[in-house]
Amino acid sequence: QQQVKQSPQSLIVQKGGISIINCAYENTAFDYFPWYQQFPGKGPALLIAIRPDVSEKKEGRFTISFNKSAKQFSLHIMDSQPGDSATYFCAASKGNQFYFGTGTSLTVIP
Amino acid sequence: DTGVSQDPRHKITKRGQNVTFRCDPISEHNRLYWYRQTLGQGPEFLTYFQNEAQLEKSRLLSDRFSAERPKGSFSTLEIQRTEQGDSAMYLCASSLDRGSEYFGPGTRLTVT
Repeated sequence: QQQVKQSPQSLIVQKGGISIINCAYENTAFDYFPWYQQFPGKGPALLIAIRPDVSEKKEGRFTISFNKSAKQFSLHIMDSQPGDSATYFCAASKGNQFYFGTGTSLTVIP
Repeated sequence: DTGVSQDPRHKITKRGQNVTFRCDPISEHNRLYWYRQTLGQGPEFLTYFQNEAQLEKSRLLSDRFSAERPKGSFSTLEIQRTEQGDSAMYLCASSLDRGSEYFGPGTRLTVT
């Protein structure tokens, strides 16, 4: 049973465009929602994270929007760059267990 | 390099053999996690240590899997009697606080 559902599976965006990746969860006990970026052959790297008492968090070009009532959260990458091309994972956590989405492969075309 | 390191980076083994992986967390990180990642999927939680105590263990972790962190520093993950379904990337992560996890590069296991 997938605890966190992520879409789309893949995404192609023009340089300078906005990349949007969505995630949904069911378990209301989750209290921490991070996003990770993973390049081929590397481990995931924490990008940005949010807690459910906040509806939005922005760090540079990356923004998380969080909708607690809908149990959804999304990652927005503004002014997408070719260097952003990677796989992105959302995750949700309760206690010390993290549940990851299935990933979104982002390609930013120059 | 002061990040999380894992050894070996790649391991090819025959079905039925035992394998052991090592993870060296970032110095002073008291929290250590093991995850498994298969191609096209997100990491799946396996187990969590706080210092030397194994506090959480996934139901995914069969009896063939065992993890240790004897002195609260490095950790080992052993898989006994490997099966082809064990082929995956095994990731280690460490943190000082929940919410600041750093992942290592992983050990890719191939069981033939």
